[in-house]
Amino acid sequence: DIQMTQSPSSLSASVGDRVTITCRASQGISNSLAWYQQKPGKVPKLLIYAASTLQSGVPSRFSGSGSGTDFTLTISSLQPEDVATYYCQKYNSAPWTFGQGTKVEIK
Amino acid sequence: EVHLSESGGGLVQPGGSLRLSCAASGFTFSNHWMHWVRQAPGEGLVWISHINNDGKRTNYADSVKGRFTISRDNAKSTLYLQVNSLRDEDTAVYFCARGAAGSMIVGNDYWGQGTLVIVSS
Repeated sequence: DIQMTQSPSSLSASVGDRVTITCRASQGISNSLAWYQQKPGKVPKLLIYAASTLQSGVPSRFSGSGSGTDFTLTISSLQPEDVATYYCQKYNSAPWTFGQGTKVEIK
Repeated sequence: EVHLSESGGGLVQPGGSLRLSCAASGFTFSNHWMHWVRQAPGEGLVWISHINNDGKRTNYADSVKGRFTISRDNAKSTLYLQVNSLRDEDTAVYFCARGAAGSMIVGNDYWGQGTLVIVSS
């Protein structure tokens, strides 16, 4: 099975900072990648699909890029409401594996 | 408005069984793949299983293969997960999530609130 590895596992940044999270697949998955945000005590929320397509209603400060094995989620200007754990998920074929998550905090 | 509501969780002894349900509303259930995802306390998301729109195709994570069975009743707009031979490590919140309609896969765009399964003697 394809493994999904996120880095870093956690980060702390200031409001207004640019934040980048990386997700690496152990084999190529084309652009079959989604990103989710899970705030503490809440249900996961789809942010991005097809590696770079913003889900409706998601703020434009979120963006995704990549193809093949290497992907990134970028928050262009970190806001207090962005405190959450972020997960990547591959969906080219079963199993739809998640990365282990990246916890984002405000410094 | 799309709504997914899980039920059926609870406290069960190791080796026991439960049937989880996910009632769907606000969309044409029979058009969509559906998924189960779980999250152990303080841990990350783990994909468990999915089923295609007519119920004829299913897939499972290796960790649950042979013990869990996903199914659906499109007439009732309900998704199920039969969980058998439960182990301590199956303790988690179980989420149902909506998948693709047709060939356009966009990940899981709607999620239920989850139902908690605790496996303990």
